[in-house]
Amino acid sequence: QVNLQESGPGIVKPSQPLSVTCSVTGYSITTSYYYWNWIRKFPGNKLEWMGYISYDGSIYYNPSLKSRISITRDTSKNQFFLQLNTVTTEDTAVYYCARHYYYDGTYYDYWGQGVMVTVSS
Amino acid sequence: DIRMTQSPASLSASLGETVNIECLASEDIYSDLAWYQQKPGKSPQLLIYNANSLQNGVPSRFSGSGSGTQYSLKINSLQSEDVATYFCQQYNNYPNTFGAGTKLELK
Repeated sequence: QVNLQESGPGIVKPSQPLSVTCSVTGYSITTSYYYWNWIRKFPGNKLEWMGYISYDGSIYYNPSLKSRISITRDTSKNQFFLQLNTVTTEDTAVYYCARHYYYDGTYYDYWGQGVMVTVSS
Repeated sequence: DIRMTQSPASLSASLGETVNIECLASEDIYSDLAWYQQKPGKSPQLLIYNANSLQNGVPSRFSGSGSGTQYSLKINSLQSEDVATYFCQQYNNYPNTFGAGTKLELK
């Protein structure tokens, strides 16, 4: 059974970097053709796809975030990471990690439970 | 970016009733559309993909339809456990984009 679990700082100060980890169990993040995504949900319900890292390490970001976002991974720990730089209060959101399969289409069949990150001084 | 306009924003229905939720894309998305259900404090759960394919384990009272720019999610015989917020998502073009959500409550 695939399980994704986010962990993060809870509160981040404005202008600081935000870092969130997704730990995956039950499935290797290097399994061919699976992609591992970050999606966030703002207060008020808006969902935003942020970016992904693929099974082979390729990366693609939402152009709206391209200058501030970095997604990396540690295959030995079966984890992938989100870093968002220079945050403002508008980055306050629930951050989710989720999986998609390249040959099925970019819909998300497994999600983590989400981690709330508040940007506040 | 493709804009997804979802309606209604909220909906109140009775047990056993049939419910329809609509999603309008700003351009043709060629049935590259998914529907998710999200309950409070939980993550979104995939219901429908490719506009009309039911995800494994999802009750058959859920169905999706549509093409081009217009899509809909239908819930037959509404159950109490269907109280949730529902989102559509297009994946025809990056960046993938979501509708604003429909909050479904019991009347």
